[in-house]
Amino acid sequence: NAGVTQTPKFRILKIGQSMTLQCTQDMNHNYMYWYRQDPGMGLKLIYYSVGAGITDKGEVPNGYNVSRSTTEDFPLRLELAAPSQTSVYFCASSYLQMNTEAFFGQGTRLTVV
Amino acid sequence: GENVEQHPSTLSVQEGDSAVIKCTYSDSASNYFPWYKQELGKRPQLIIDIRSNVGEKKDQRIAVTLNKTAKHFSLHITETQPEDSAVYFCAASLAGGTSYGKLTFGQGTILTVHP
Repeated sequence: NAGVTQTPKFRILKIGQSMTLQCTQDMNHNYMYWYRQDPGMGLKLIYYSVGAGITDKGEVPNGYNVSRSTTEDFPLRLELAAPSQTSVYFCASSYLQMNTEAFFGQGTRLTVV
Repeated sequence: GENVEQHPSTLSVQEGDSAVIKCTYSDSASNYFPWYKQELGKRPQLIIDIRSNVGEKKDQRIAVTLNKTAKHFSLHITETQPEDSAVYFCAASLAGGTSYGKLTFGQGTILTVHP
């Protein structure tokens, strides 16, 4: 049981480039989230999804897009990378009905130069 | 939407002392309050949680209390050890509609336990 798996672990992007952060979970969780964590700061919600085909914006969605075509996968897309998007990105999942623990992936450290 | 404030931002204690971290939330509909511990360079992991129908919960050296009227909840760590040093996050989850289960985090508290 792998839990929540994120790829890649590290990435350096040039300004204006695009990339997709991958996230997959094998716990059959219906809720999935993307957070960003800036140095010394808390976790800010970017997007979340309550199930396949349903996504919604969090606190800081600008510059990002998501899709949820399956229960397992929740990729995060950066279209035009900017230095302000330098951060650590965490994907998480949880089980909706019981409002239970969110399990986090190991994080992706992204630097935009 | 929900807003969670966490204090203090840093906390330094001697080994064996107690540590208390406090959070307030804004939305009275929130009914789930987890606490996460994040060690340096690692992912956040749940250490304890409490639901709105409970006032207090304990797990060995860790306890959480909830005051729904005042909309605040606290983490208490007793007999602190150096391995308790980490960043601690509180969170609140809204109930109802599409916001159900969406976690809003506090800003985090850096706890340092000196041997």
